[in-house]
Amino acid sequence: QQPVQSPQAVILREGEDAVINCSSSKALYSVHWYRQKHGEAPVFLMILLKGGEQKGHEKISASFNEKKQQSSLYLTASQLSYSGTYFCGTVNNNDMRFGAGTRLTVKP
Amino acid sequence: EPEVTQTPSHQVTQMGQEVILRCVPISNHLYFYWYRQILGQKVEFLVSFYNNEISEKSEIFDDQFSVERPDGSNFTLKIRSTKLEDSAMYFCASSVQGQGGNTIYFGEGSWLTVV
Repeated sequence: QQPVQSPQAVILREGEDAVINCSSSKALYSVHWYRQKHGEAPVFLMILLKGGEQKGHEKISASFNEKKQQSSLYLTASQLSYSGTYFCGTVNNNDMRFGAGTRLTVKP
Repeated sequence: EPEVTQTPSHQVTQMGQEVILRCVPISNHLYFYWYRQILGQKVEFLVSFYNNEISEKSEIFDDQFSVERPDGSNFTLKIRSTKLEDSAMYFCASSVQGQGGNTIYFGEGSWLTVV
């Protein structure tokens, strides 16, 4: 029931791009993306509601393919502040399940 | 900006003791949640609460756990007899609606250490 995220970890240089994937075996109503820095609460990035929807937040964008039950998070021209663990949360019925997280490290 | 507040921020308790974690959700929100995160691991869903009753719970949320909304503003998680493996960060969250179309807002967490 919990979504599967890949990759588990990514190390980037500042300015490089990354893609984080999230897939579910269940039909999804929506997908949420969160970033969590060590010792802090998850911070909401964006929510995608419709199949094929794509949203952006600064240089972070995401897509949601409802038919494939997948979502991808795109980080372009990464900055040091992007470091953290990214979680996708998939919503089926009224509850969210999180993926195991993708640890992103951006180095200077 | 309205926020979910949690107390205490950190609690140390002896194994077998009861613990109550408190949360004040955002005032116009109707759905409330508890999640936990063991250090270095993923966030895990515990329970969701709507209209004064549990709407869904996970396999983690066994008989030692209970939730309550005692006074219309607070939302509490009680762990009856704590075990070492209950040591984790517990996050409260709330949302306006529970249908996935709204953001779920998290509190900053209550860090529970069971010794």
